[in-house]
Amino acid sequence: EIVLTQSPGTLSLSPGERATLSCRASQSFGSYLAWYQQKPGQAPRLLIYGASNRATGTPDRFSGSVSGAVFTLTISRLEPEDFAVYCCQQYGSSSPITFGQGTRLEIK
Amino acid sequence: QVQLQESGPGLVKASETLSLTCTVSGGSISGYYWSWIRQPPGKGLEWIGYIHFSGSTNYNPSLKSRVTISLDTSKSQFSLKLSSVTAADTAMYSCARHYGSGTSWFPHWGQGTLVTVSS
Repeated sequence: EIVLTQSPGTLSLSPGERATLSCRASQSFGSYLAWYQQKPGQAPRLLIYGASNRATGTPDRFSGSVSGAVFTLTISRLEPEDFAVYCCQQYGSSSPITFGQGTRLEIK
Repeated sequence: QVQLQESGPGLVKASETLSLTCTVSGGSISGYYWSWIRQPPGKGLEWIGYIHFSGSTNYNPSLKSRVTISLDTSKSQFSLKLSSVTAADTAMYSCARHYGSGTSWFPHWGQGTLVTVSS
């Protein structure tokens, strides 16, 4: 099973700042990683797939990258609506598909 | 735009079987892979398993012995059964559609339904 470890657990920033979230995989699996945004009472929203491809409707302030087994989600300038929980998902192996535990992005 | 809606009991007794249904609207159930995913309170997401419209399934090894996912194309529904539940199975259960193959991401999710296991 591929284990995804997200860091930090909680990130406190102000609107307008840059956010950098990390998702480290227990083994390499290429670029088969997606990022989701979760808000209370809402379904997860797909932001990024294939490590760096923005999903339809994802603002261009969101970007994804990968270096080896470390995936990064960057939000260039935080908007008030960006404060939420972010989680990563690997689909390089379907036995099983796994998710990270999430990073909470909160307003400082 | 495809929409997914979970339904089923919100309270299940320990040792019994949890049963949920996901109804798909706004799109065909054919040709796609469909998954169940859960999130215990305060914890991360856990993939339970998927079913392809052909009927083939793939389950998370950690739950495989207790999980059955089935499909009813005539009703545009797929269902989850999880047997011998315990308090550890208390979670928000969501259904989702894969983008393409079974090894892909999830562009479409239901809102989720909270299932509590009581003793």
